[in-house]
Amino acid sequence: EAAVTQSPRSKVAVTGGKVTLSCHQTNNHDYMYWYRQDTGHGLRLIHYSYVADSTEKGDIPDGYKASRPSQENFSLILELASLSQTAVYFCASSDRINQDTQYFGPGTRLLVL
Amino acid sequence: GDSVTQTEGQVTVSESKSLIINCTYSATSIAYPNLFWYVRYPGEGLQLLLKVITAGQKGSSRGFEATYNKETTSFHLQKASVQESDSAVYYCALSGYGGSGNKLIFGTGTLLSVKP
Repeated sequence: EAAVTQSPRSKVAVTGGKVTLSCHQTNNHDYMYWYRQDTGHGLRLIHYSYVADSTEKGDIPDGYKASRPSQENFSLILELASLSQTAVYFCASSDRINQDTQYFGPGTRLLVL
Repeated sequence: GDSVTQTEGQVTVSESKSLIINCTYSATSIAYPNLFWYVRYPGEGLQLLLKVITAGQKGSSRGFEATYNKETTSFHLQKASVQESDSAVYYCALSGYGGSGNKLIFGTGTLLSVKP
C-alpha cells in the first residue's frame, strides 16, 4: 500500500482561483514537506512541518500557504493561482531522526491557465 | 551556495549495456554533506536508491553503485548492466547541517530510457 498519497493527481486551474493540494501519509512520520518541480530545476522546498498545527517556510514560500491539521495530513494552498505556479508538486514525509530519507507521493501536475 | 548539478537531462542505453549518470555538488555551507540518489519510476513517487555519508565510501543498491569523491566533488551513479525495468528518472541530492539546514537539495534529474 502506498504510504504517501496525493490528491488530486492532476488539476487545471484558472488564474486568480484558489487551489488546494492534499497529502496523506500512513508512515507515522513527524515531518512532512511540499516541493515543486519545474522543467530545468530540481525539486525545491516550499513549506514543511514537523508537528501538527505548525508549518515552516521553505526556500520558495511566496504565493503558497500550508496547513497541517493532523500528523497524517498536510495541505498546500494557492490562494490566488498564477501562471508561474504551473508545475509538478510533490509531498513527502520523514521521521525525526533521518530527515533526509524522505518518502514521496506520486506528485500532482498543476496547470494554471 | 549549496547545489547539485546533473549535466544530462536524458540518457538512452541499450539493455545489458553499462550506465553512468554524472553528478557533481557544491557544499559551501555544509561541512560534511550526505549524498543521495533518489529514483522515480513511472507513476510513482521518488524513493531512496542509495545514500553515502562518508567521503571515500561507496553505496550500492539494486546493482547501482556510487562513490562519494570529495576531491572531485562528484557522486556519479553507475551500473554494469542495465535492464528495461531501470527506466526511470534519477535524482542526485545532498543534505547536511549548515546554512541550508538539514534538508535535501536536489539536482534536476536524469531520465534514463533503456532500449530492449
